Amino acid sequence: RKEVEQDPGPFNVPEGATVAFNCTYSNSASQSFFWYRQDCRKEPKLLMSVYSSGNEDGRFTAQLNRASQYISLLIRDSKLSDSATYLCVVNRDSGYSTLTFGKGTMLLVSP
Amino acid sequence: NAGVTQTPKFQVLKTGQSMTLQCAQDMNHEYMSWYRQDPGMGLRLIHYSVGAGITDQGEVPNGYNVSRSTTEDFPLRLLSAAPSQTSVYFCASRPGHLYEQYFGPGTRLTVT
Repeated sequence: RKEVEQDPGPFNVPEGATVAFNCTYSNSASQSFFWYRQDCRKEPKLLMSVYSSGNEDGRFTAQLNRASQYISLLIRDSKLSDSATYLCVVNRDSGYSTLTFGKGTMLLVSP
Repeated sequence: NAGVTQTPKFQVLKTGQSMTLQCAQDMNHEYMSWYRQDPGMGLRLIHYSVGAGITDQGEVPNGYNVSRSTTEDFPLRLLSAAPSQTSVYFCASRPGHLYEQYFGPGTRLTVT
């Protein structure tokens, strides 16, 4: 099993739609989880951290399921500007650790 | 704050040439990292540093050297460029107590 796996997409949705991405991770000792966003030919930027109890930031909701080792990102009321690649990121272990990036899921929002 | 800066933005090298990719951050972050991003491969860690004078290898270190003489700078050296090193290189930094990485704008390197 790969360390972090994501469906590469693309997910094609119309404006206003709700879309969800899942990401699975293999290391049960992973401590921290994040979603990053990467626009075409740009650097990745943190979208949101993922907390055990789930968290919401405006139209974005992140969930963590430790038992099944997956995290999810839900985007409500999609905007054209949401078109990007969404990277699932997991830390490898406790202490100083390096982050493992998934390959990303591409989202395309159309008018 | 300029954040994380990288130079050059674009570079073309011939096989066997050497060069240094520059990375600097002005946020006083302890941790700095170099990644490469290739189509279908995602971001892969090359080298990282947890502070001035301390560096370690990441997932794909072969063919690259790093040093960290100051908190601000973390250059990446390609010793003898190969076509397999054609990629987009990102430098990133973060505070020691947080996992949020701040990325530079990237260097697009082509080796012919």
